[in-house]
Amino acid sequence: EADIYQTPRYLVIGTGKKITLECSQTMGHDKMYWYQQDPGMELHLIHYSYGVNSTEKGDLSSESTVSRIRTEHFPLTLESARPSHTSQYLCASSAYDRPYEQYFGPGTRLTVT
Amino acid sequence: AQKITQTQPGMFVQEKEAVTLDCTYDTSDPSYGLFWYKQPSSGEMIFLIYQGSYDQQNATEGRYSLNFQKARKSANLVISASQLGDSAMYFCAIPISGSARQLTFGSGTQLTVLP
Repeated sequence: EADIYQTPRYLVIGTGKKITLECSQTMGHDKMYWYQQDPGMELHLIHYSYGVNSTEKGDLSSESTVSRIRTEHFPLTLESARPSHTSQYLCASSAYDRPYEQYFGPGTRLTVT
Repeated sequence: AQKITQTQPGMFVQEKEAVTLDCTYDTSDPSYGLFWYKQPSSGEMIFLIYQGSYDQQNATEGRYSLNFQKARKSANLVISASQLGDSAMYFCAIPISGSARQLTFGSGTQLTVLP
């Protein structure tokens, strides 16, 4: 059973606010990922990390930033939220020896008004 | 660049019947794998099944099986004996070229199982 958590599950926030989406996993996975998904659409990778102090941008440009100070924690931050950031954000992790078997968190549905 | 195509935006199946969800892909990588994920309405992504391009036999995991036809570049998911709980969005995915660990996903198929 995969153990990866995201908080909050739902967030409605006004334009210009700074927000941090939390993601934690208890599986000791080295690799972690953030995906953005508009309703009914495919997932797009926006950030990934291969380990502590390692972060890279994904194939979809995003104004968000990430950090990886601890193995289990991979938060995503938006300094100034805008309505165009309204989307679902999914966090995932994978083990070193099974890199493609990604386990996903429940997601955060973000609405920026 | 990798490309994944799922041509069925929505599918309906009667409970207890089998259903096939289509997935075609395009990649220049000589070795790759195909993944299927399930996304219920609650939003989380659940890993279902994986097959490597050099695997000789089609992968099976319980009621899920992959109909992998390498020459046609297709990797269809077959769900046998559908259950109401199978109603969800299903995504096919392939690793991003040159990446050891990232996936690119198709647009998904919304499956509805009818009682």
